[in-house]
Amino acid sequence: EAGVTQFPSHSVIEKGQTVTLRCDPISGHDNLYWYRRVMGKEIKFLLHFVKESKQDESGMPNNRFLAERTGGTYSTLKVQPAELEDSGVYFCASSPMTGVGYNEQFFGPGTRLTVL
Amino acid sequence: AQSVTQLDSHVSVSEGTPVLLRCNYSSSYSPSLFWYVQHPNKGLQLLLKYTSAATLVKGINGFEAEFKKSETSFHLTKPSAHMSDAAEYFCVVSDDYGGATNKLIFGTGTLLAVQP
Repeated sequence: EAGVTQFPSHSVIEKGQTVTLRCDPISGHDNLYWYRRVMGKEIKFLLHFVKESKQDESGMPNNRFLAERTGGTYSTLKVQPAELEDSGVYFCASSPMTGVGYNEQFFGPGTRLTVL
Repeated sequence: AQSVTQLDSHVSVSEGTPVLLRCNYSSSYSPSLFWYVQHPNKGLQLLLKYTSAATLVKGINGFEAEFKKSETSFHLTKPSAHMSDAAEYFCVVSDDYGGATNKLIFGTGTLLAVQP
């Protein structure tokens, strides 16, 4: 079974440009999460989808970030326009929906974003 | 609010010696606690989890952790380090009481180096 995949693995862009990150969760996983780790800081939650609906987007830093999950399958995270402080590693995770207790979140390898 | 504190940013051990990675948590209720590991260029992998069952939790690759409520600690241990254990380790708490998000709150990470 394929794990969570993320594309691209690395992206280098200039300040002011737009970048779109993609996450493909494990097939059948209704929950999809985005997290981010900026340099020297801890990994922080950005948002949570249940199927195509945003369950919690309390961690999104500002309105330059837009996440979508059309059709409840893969998800994209767009940063427009990118700023220097957006540099970091963006992780995606998915988990099944069993409705009881904690469902393990399976993480992708991350996308390393560098804004110059 | 939930939080975790990893007391060491770097730990270096010799191969074959014990590993101790320290973590303290703060929670207003009985928490769900985890240790994740990230090897270079890989995704985050769940090592073990505590969800209010046995206080001594065994995980993969010989790791275990003990939940100590009186000390608000969840330290990760392994009797004998292997070269392949070199990685970054994250202590994590799930912010999920009464909710449906299960978003994870990460510590700042401990980089484990294993010397031959």
